[in-house]
Amino acid sequence: DVVLTQSPATLSVTPGERISLSCRASESVDTYLHWYQQKPNESPRLLIKYASQSISGIPSRFSGSGSGTDFTLSINGVELEDLSIYYCQQGNSLPHTFGAGTKLELK
Amino acid sequence: QVQLKETGPGLVQPTQTLSITCTVSGFSLTSYYMQWVRQTPGKGLEWMGFIRSGGSTEYNSEFKSRLSISRDTSKNQVFLKMNSLKTEDTGVYYCAREGYTYDFDYWGQGVMVTVSS
Repeated sequence: DVVLTQSPATLSVTPGERISLSCRASESVDTYLHWYQQKPNESPRLLIKYASQSISGIPSRFSGSGSGTDFTLSINGVELEDLSIYYCQQGNSLPHTFGAGTKLELK
Repeated sequence: QVQLKETGPGLVQPTQTLSITCTVSGFSLTSYYMQWVRQTPGKGLEWMGFIRSGGSTEYNSEFKSRLSISRDTSKNQVFLKMNSLKTEDTGVYYCAREGYTYDFDYWGQGVMVTVSS
């Protein structure tokens, strides 16, 4: 199974700053790497698909990059509404797997 | 618009069978794969399995021996059945639609399942 390792586990942020979250795969997943945002008591929401493709309705401050085993989710100008947990997921091989998440908290 | 909604019991006894229904609208089950994902305190988000647009299924080997996914296209419903429940199966169970790049583009609101006597 592909193991996805997300770092950091928790990130303390200040509104307005640019941040980057990391997701590393134990083997290549090509670009079948997707990012989700989950707020408390809500379902995960797709933020970025196929490593870097934007999703309709998602603010443009969210972007993704990477291929193979190293991926990054960036938020350019964090807003308070972005305080959530972010997960990566790979769809390159079965079983589909998720990372353990990165929690954004207020500094 | 695309909508998914899970319905199921909130409480199941250990060793019993869990049955959850996912009712969808805004798209056809014969055009998309439908996924089941759960979120537990112990393991976080776990992919459980899916049913293809053509009706065949794939399961995570973690659940293969006790999990069954099926559907009724006439009712726009997908079903999850899992037997031999244990306390560690306590969590939120989601159905999700798979997009064309193997992402999960729409999710239901989830159903909280507690396994307890």
